[in-house]
Amino acid sequence: NAGVTQTPKFQVLKTGQSMTLQCAQDMNHEYMSWYRQDPGMGLRLIHYSVGAGITDQGEVPNGYNVSRSTTEDFPLRLLSAAPSQTSVYFCASRPTGSIGEKLFFGSGTQLSVL
Amino acid sequence: GESVGLHLPTLSVQEGDNSIINCAYSNSASDYFIWYKQESGKGPQFIIDIRSNMDKRQGQRVTVLLNKTVKHLSLQIAATQPGDSAVYFCAENIGGGGSNYKLTFGKGTLLTVNP
Repeated sequence: NAGVTQTPKFQVLKTGQSMTLQCAQDMNHEYMSWYRQDPGMGLRLIHYSVGAGITDQGEVPNGYNVSRSTTEDFPLRLLSAAPSQTSVYFCASRPTGSIGEKLFFGSGTQLSVL
Repeated sequence: GESVGLHLPTLSVQEGDNSIINCAYSNSASDYFIWYKQESGKGPQFIIDIRSNMDKRQGQRVTVLLNKTVKHLSLQIAATQPGDSAVYFCAENIGGGGSNYKLTFGKGTLLTVNP
């Protein structure tokens, strides 16, 4: 199993540009989520999904869109990038069910918005 | 606001010593806690977890202690090795309903192991 795969690893955008961060998992996990990590802020939840066709907002959803058309993929879209979105983005997945299920993280995408 | 916090942002220990990383939480409804390790340039990796109906849980070289009276969580690493150098995050899950899917992470503690 590859686990959770994120692409790209690095990206530089200009303010106002749009892009999609890709996330795929091959563990048949129903739950997938996106976090952003900023210095001194820890990890903050952006959006999450508990299954195909179902998404919900996390702590910091503004400026981001998600969709979940398949179990495997959970892309994160930035429609009009802003410098405040400069961050490291992590995708994570786990089985649904009991709360004891562990989150598996991808290796991250480092995004800079100029 | 941030309900999961850490007492020390950095911790430096000698190789072979035991390490203790602390975490405070403020929500008494939190029913599940988890520790992650993040090495430079990588995603967080699961270390150990504990449910609120437990006080202690042990893994390989790691122990998590939960004190619900003072809302305090700690991670103990025995015989710390250079490979343990990383940022350690605690996270809490507030039980019930939709919040079952929203782990709240602390800001992290940087552990440095000196040879």
